[in-house]
Amino acid sequence: RKEVEQDPGPFNVPEGATVAFNCTYSNSASQSFFWYRQDCRKEPKLLMSVYSSGNEDGRFTAQLNRASQYISLLIRDSKLSDSATYLCVVDVSGGYNKLIFGAGTRLAVHP
Amino acid sequence: DTAVSQTPKYLVTQMGNDKSIKCEQNLGHDTMYWYKQDSKKFLKIMFSYNNKELIINETVPNRFSPKSPDKAHLNLHINSLELGDSAVYFCASSQERRQYFGPGTRLTVT
Repeated sequence: RKEVEQDPGPFNVPEGATVAFNCTYSNSASQSFFWYRQDCRKEPKLLMSVYSSGNEDGRFTAQLNRASQYISLLIRDSKLSDSATYLCVVDVSGGYNKLIFGAGTRLAVHP
Repeated sequence: DTAVSQTPKYLVTQMGNDKSIKCEQNLGHDTMYWYKQDSKKFLKIMFSYNNKELIINETVPNRFSPKSPDKAHLNLHINSLELGDSAVYFCASSQERRQYFGPGTRLTVT
């Protein structure tokens, strides 16, 4: 079983749509969770951290369910510029910043 | 104002050669990393250094040797390159939890 699993997609959605990505992780001792975004042929960039209580940043909402070892990302009112690969990331090291990346979910937003 | 820079951006070389990739960060971070992203797009950590000290060393062939001359630099030397080493190599740095990635070095071994 992979340490971090994501649906690879692609998700093809029209502008303005709401889209949700899910992710599961296998290490129950994981403490920190993130969503990164990677554009084609570019480096990953932090989109947002994920907190137990859930958190929102503009059109993006992240949720964490520790009991189910499940993380989600919701994007509302999709923009063309949201087209990218979204990487679910888990810190399994408890302080050493050892990040395990999922393979990513590709999102394509069309006019 | 490049935060994390890598050189070269592209590297094409033949099997058996030895090559180095350089990384520099101007963020004042204590921790630096090397990652490999293969053709299937999986991004995997290879090494991590904190203040020039190796703290993460994943199961990587010993043909790969990181070197950190100071906390702003982390270089990666690869001996006896193999076809399977073809990938994009990303350097990153962090202070606390957020990691900042360099633009990547696309290595092609022929």
